[in-house]
Formats: sequence, structure tokens, C-alpha cells
Amino acid sequence: NAGVTQTPKFQVLKTGQSMTLQCAQDMNHNSMYWYRQDPGMGLRLIYYSASEGTTDKGEVPNGYNVSRLNKREFSLRLESAAPSQTSVYFCASIPRWIAEAFFGQGTRLTVV
Amino acid sequence: AQSVAQPEDQVNVAEGNPLTVKCTYSVSGNPYLFWYVQYPNRGLQFLLKYITGDNLVKGSYGFEAEFNKSQTSFHLKKPSALVSDSALYFCAVRGSNTGNQFYFGTGTSLTVIP
Repeated sequence: NAGVTQTPKFQVLKTGQSMTLQCAQDMNHNSMYWYRQDPGMGLRLIYYSASEGTTDKGEVPNGYNVSRLNKREFSLRLESAAPSQTSVYFCASIPRWIAEAFFGQGTRLTVV
Repeated sequence: AQSVAQPEDQVNVAEGNPLTVKCTYSVSGNPYLFWYVQYPNRGLQFLLKYITGDNLVKGSYGFEAEFNKSQTSFHLKKPSALVSDSALYFCAVRGSNTGNQFYFGTGTSLTVIP
């Protein structure tokens, strides 16, 4: 049971480049989330998907787009990367409304 | 507005001593409270949660937390700290009226000194 898998683990982008962060979970969870983690700021929600076919903005959605491709996969896209998007990105999933979240290992993104 | 406060960025404790990591919250509706731990270059791992019932919740690795409704707090505790407990700890909350969102604190870095 792999849990939540994120790819890639590390990425360096130049300003203006685009990329997609991939997330997949094999636990048949309904809800999936994308967070960014920055020093001193904790985890901030970018987007989430309560169920397959739905997505909603979180606290910091600007500069990002998401796709809930199916129940397993939830991708995060940066259309035109900016240095302010340098961060560690975490994907998470939960099986039901008041359950705990399961996190991926993270993607460390640097935009130069 | 929903929020979680972890007032201490850093907590140092000697090995074998009790530890406390503090968390207070503000949320709409009934609170559902969680503690997670993060080791370097890893994702967050679930420690324990309070949903309803007994105010003292026991979790993984000997950790426990006490829900205090009047003080809107959910402090994490352990009777005897281990060096291996050194990590970053996050408190999180979601409310019965806040939909699907979790709200995280800024994290507390715990160092257990041998």
C-alpha cells in the first residue's frame, strides 16, 4: 500500500516556465488537497477537491490550477512559475469528512 | 474566521522530562482537532485527533492531548521525552461548519536534549 505518492520530489524551474505536480493515492479516498509549506507560515491550502469532479480554491490559489483527473489523481499546475512559488508542496487525502489526512512526501520546488 | 495558533516556534526539553506543545484554535461550529508530526524532508504524519467524547486523547508514540473547550486549547503532551521525538509539530482544526478545509498552525519545532 503506497499511500499518497507525489512526483517529482525535487524540481528547479526558471521564471515563466510551467510544470505540473502529480499526486496519486491508492486508498480510495474521496477528498484530496494541495498545500504549500513555507518557513514560519505552516501549511497553506492552495486547492482542494472534496470529491471526484469537484475542485475549490483554498487560501492561496493565485498562480495555480488543479485537475481532479479521477478519484486517484489530483494534479497541480503552475502555468508561469514565479520565485514566490518557491516552496515545498504537499498533497494529502482523507477518506471521509472527519478523518485525519494522509500526506505525500512532498515536492521541493525552486523557481529561479 | 478560522485559525490555529501555536504560540511557541521552538520548544526545548531535556530527555526524560515531560513535554508540552501548545495549541489554541478558533473555529465555526464544533471543533475537530488533530496533531501531526513532521520529520526532516518528510511529509506530515498523523499523531492523534479529538472528534468527540473524552477530553483526553491518546495517540501514537506515547503522545496524548487534552481538549479544553472553555480555553479553546488542544495541547500536545508526553510524560517522558525521547531524543527521537525531536521534530516539527503541527496542530490542525476543522469545524462542523467549515466545510472540507483543515486549518493548520505555523508549527512548533521540538528539540529534545540528551
